[in-house]
Amino acid sequence: DAGVIQSPRHEVTEMGQEVTLRCKPISGHNSLFWYRQTMMRGLELLIYFNNNVPIDDSGMPEDRFSAKMPNASFSTLKIQPSEPRDSAVYFCASSPGQGTNEQYFGPGTRLTVT
Amino acid sequence: AQSVTQPDIHITVSEGASLELRCNYSYGATPYLFWYVQSPGQGLQLLLKYFSGDTLVQGIKGFEAEFKRSQSSFNLRKPSVHWSDAAEYFCAAGRMGGYNKLIFGAGTRLAVHP
Repeated sequence: DAGVIQSPRHEVTEMGQEVTLRCKPISGHNSLFWYRQTMMRGLELLIYFNNNVPIDDSGMPEDRFSAKMPNASFSTLKIQPSEPRDSAVYFCASSPGQGTNEQYFGPGTRLTVT
Repeated sequence: AQSVTQPDIHITVSEGASLELRCNYSYGATPYLFWYVQSPGQGLQLLLKYFSGDTLVQGIKGFEAEFKRSQSSFNLRKPSVHWSDAAEYFCAAGRMGGYNKLIFGAGTRLAVHP
């Protein structure tokens, strides 16, 4: 299995621009999670989906952030407009469900907003 | 409130020495417990997990962890540390029926001296 795939691996953009991060979960997994990691705040859960439905988006910092999961094999996290404080590493993780809970992480996208 | 605490932010050990990383949890019931490792610039990798049964669980890379209900702890151990074990380690907890959501500790950064 290829594992969780994220793209791009690195993104550098200017303040005010729209940023879209992409994630392909492991085939057959029914839960998907978006996290943000920074030195100051550590690992933060932004939003998670179960069977493509958003379950809890209380971790999304602002309305500038949005996430979608149009099908079981693809999810996006969008930031519009981006700000320098959004600079972080964004991880996507998926979980097989059936109560097993373990999550499998992608390699992350390092976002730099200048 | 549910929480996972890793009391040690940084730990330094000499190569070949034994290692124990602490993790305490606060949950309404016995949770599922996990340890993840994150090498620099990488995503989180699952080291081991505890669901039920034998309280001593074995993981990858020679790591093991022991669940102690009376102490609400799930400490990670390794008898002899290698320089390649230098990384950040995260303890996490979840529960059955929780949409596979995990609560992560703040992490312990391990440095290994030659």
